Amino acid sequence: GAVVSQHPSRVICKSGTSVKIECRSLDFQATTMFWYRQFPKKSLMLMATSNEGSKATYEQGVEKDKFLINHASLTLSTLTVTSAHPEDSSFYICSARLGTTGSNQPQHFGDGTRLSIL
Amino acid sequence: EDQVTQSPEALRLQEGESSSLNCSYTVSGLRGLFWYRQDPGKGPEFLFTLYSAGEEKEKERLKATLTKKESFLHITAPKPEDSATYLCAVLNAGGTSYGKLTFGQGTILTVHP
Repeated sequence: GAVVSQHPSRVICKSGTSVKIECRSLDFQATTMFWYRQFPKKSLMLMATSNEGSKATYEQGVEKDKFLINHASLTLSTLTVTSAHPEDSSFYICSARLGTTGSNQPQHFGDGTRLSIL
Repeated sequence: EDQVTQSPEALRLQEGESSSLNCSYTVSGLRGLFWYRQDPGKGPEFLFTLYSAGEEKEKERLKATLTKKESFLHITAPKPEDSATYLCAVLNAGGTSYGKLTFGQGTILTVHP
């Protein structure tokens, strides 16, 4: 149980392209989804939190116009990196969790998307 | 500010050589401490949640324990397939980190046959 699918697993594209990453909870309804970024040999850095049907809450320093998040249903959230540049190259990971802000249920993670901008 | 410190940064064991990983934390109020395993190029895989001091959880060769200041992940008779990065994360009861996980830097475990 608690399977989270993330697609695509790898993207290579030219600078200026917009890239959309999908995150789906396959066997449970995810009230809350999270988007993280991970640099090589570093831990996970939270980018934003989204609750189904609400606007995402972005962490300090994360550009909301650059990283567009949509959480239109209880099983799907998308992250769109708009006009991507080489400095946006990274490993992006989503997670999903039952319950809203106060929930202490575990987050379940997707397998990540390796984004490379040329 | 929540802080999570994991030690050691890297641990190399021989197959069958038991050991422990440490996760020290500072939070204003703990709502949960989570252990994850992460393989290279993959997302973290959930292992355990501990909610209160004194609690213990076990799964195969892994056992997680919790005190008011730290958590240990004990690995008994490890096998090469246990090689991975182990991440610890805390969930704060309030403040600016409310509802969010704060991760440690992880311990890279390598088990040699």
